[in-house]
Amino acid sequence: GAGVSQSPSNKVTEKGKDVELRCDPISGHTALYWYRQSLGQGLEFLIYFQGNSAPDKSGLPSDRFSAERTGGSVSTLTIQRTQQEDSAVYLCASSLGGSDYGYTFGSGTRLTVV
Amino acid sequence: QQPVQSPQAVILREGEDAVINCSSSKALYSVHWYRQKHGEAPVFLMILLKGGEQKGHEKISASFNEKKQQSSLYLTASQLSYSGTYFCGTERMDSSYKLIFGSGTRLLVRP
Repeated sequence: GAGVSQSPSNKVTEKGKDVELRCDPISGHTALYWYRQSLGQGLEFLIYFQGNSAPDKSGLPSDRFSAERTGGSVSTLTIQRTQQEDSAVYLCASSLGGSDYGYTFGSGTRLTVV
Repeated sequence: QQPVQSPQAVILREGEDAVINCSSSKALYSVHWYRQKHGEAPVFLMILLKGGEQKGHEKISASFNEKKQQSSLYLTASQLSYSGTYFCGTERMDSSYKLIFGSGTRLLVRP
């Protein structure tokens, strides 16, 4: 596609429910990243995929968070038993991989846990 | 470990210059710069690689001092469209292929 697509753009969920956030990267981009941005804050690294593998999951805040990527393309970030502190904008980015390429970010999913 | 950005915020008049700094306590392979406007996704500006040259266009450029593990973003003759939050993202030598971002510098350009 022309850009990185994320869905839904907004999600309001009740505390304790599970949510799935989807990211559709730019076609041909082998690297995919998930970041979290709380209101007025910087970007917090969550997980990195190269192809379908996740060499670096070090940023996942707890075992309630998981992510997968299939077909070297679409990725899903799942948050189980959501808590209020999970409220944030979840940003996905993709790149051609390697250290020489910039990231293209999606518009994000704004998650609100009530 | 998160890189440190300074200043946290800056207000300019249109046409003025600004410098935003980013420093890391760890050895870096690359530094990226992004700009994020309110409610939008961050947009890639440029990347500086270890051993690389200063980069940029006429009015937005950046440098990378490998000895000090510092990068600076230079905004000259600022335009209203430059307003937004600027983030540096650092790729560490011991943890490649992922960027750790600073907390951002809010830039407001007024007419």
